[in-house]
Formats: sequence, C-alpha cells, structure tokens
Amino acid sequence: DADVTQTPRNRITKTGKRIMLECSQTKGHDRMYWYRQDPGLGLQLIYYSFDVKDINKGEISDGYSVSRQAQAKFSLSLESAIPNQTALYFCATSDGTANTDTQYFGPGTRLTVL
Amino acid sequence: GQQLNQSPQSMFIQEGEDVSMNCTSSSIFNTWLWYKQEPGEGPVLLIALYKAGELTSNGRLTAQFGITRKDSFLNISASIPSDVGIYFCAGLIRAGNMLTFGGGTRLMVKP
Repeated sequence: DADVTQTPRNRITKTGKRIMLECSQTKGHDRMYWYRQDPGLGLQLIYYSFDVKDINKGEISDGYSVSRQAQAKFSLSLESAIPNQTALYFCATSDGTANTDTQYFGPGTRLTVL
Repeated sequence: GQQLNQSPQSMFIQEGEDVSMNCTSSSIFNTWLWYKQEPGEGPVLLIALYKAGELTSNGRLTAQFGITRKDSFLNISASIPSDVGIYFCAGLIRAGNMLTFGGGTRLMVKP
C-alpha cells in the first residue's frame, strides 16, 4: 500500500464550486505539505503544517485553505474554484529530523476547472 | 527568496548515452535532493546528499553535492527508455525551512 495517498486522483469542476482534495499518510510523519504543479513547471508550495495545530502559508496560498484533521490527514480546499487553478496538486510528508527533511510525495490530483 | 536554476530544461538523447544535469543557486544549501517524476505520478526521491563534496550513487545514477554548497549535479549512465521523466533538484537550508525546487529537466530517451 502507498505511504501517501491522495483522493480524488482526477477531478473536473466548474468555476465557483467548492472543492476539497484529501491527503492521507501512513508514514507517521508530523509534517505535511500541499504543492501545485503547472504544466512544464516545477512545484510551488501552497500550505504546510508541522503538526496538527500548526498551519502555515506557502508561496501561493491565495484562493486556498487547508485543514489538518489529524497527524495522518491534511486536506486542501478551493473555496470558489477558478480556471487558473487548473493544475496538478501534490501532497507530501516529511519527518523533520535534524539535518534532513526529505519529503515523500503522493501520486497527485489532476484538477480541471472549467 | 532562494532560487534554484536547473539545466538543461529538456534533453532528448539516444538510448545508451550518458546524461548530466545540474542545479545552481546563489544561496547555500545544506541538503540537496534529486527527484524523478514520471507521467501521471508524484515525484519520487532518487538520491539525498547531506555533506558538501559528497558523491552518492544509486544504480546508474550518481549525484554530487558541490563543495561550495551552491550546486549539485546528477548523472545517469547508459540511459534506457524507462529513464524518461522529469528530474527535479531540491535544496534545503536546514530542517524547519522549506524545500526549494528547481524547474526540472525533462528527459526523453530514443530507443
């Protein structure tokens, strides 16, 4: 079984709809992240959480919100989706140990906003 | 903020050729990571580097952490079709900071 899972894997929605993307992990990591990837581009950090009570904005948080429901679960919401939020969304986890913070990624959610 | 310049942006090579890609930065990083992303999947960690000058191999892949801590390279020897994908470098200043990702190198291998 995959250590980091994302649901749904694909989603098509309309402008103005509220969308939630979910991420679960079995790695026991405290840290979780949400990234966005646009075609041909690298990864941009949306939000991150270092533990259940910690939420931090990343580079491109506008238009997004998150909820850390438990150590293993971190969800990303688009309150009112717009077409330029069409992208691949990745969740990642890390254990935050000293000197290293290697991140492990989920398989991604492809979101299309019409 | 920190930026990682990854080059080349794309490569189209013949099967069996060796491949080299690199990342450079104006900032110092204390950890360098190399990831591979295949179509429709998330990035998968290939190699992690934790010390300046470190040279680490993973099968046909070899990566080095630059002495200045401002660069890293990844080599792939004797490429095969399944090497196709996007390779990302990522740098970390220290635990507690965010990873900074390069823009990726798209590798295409012609059988």
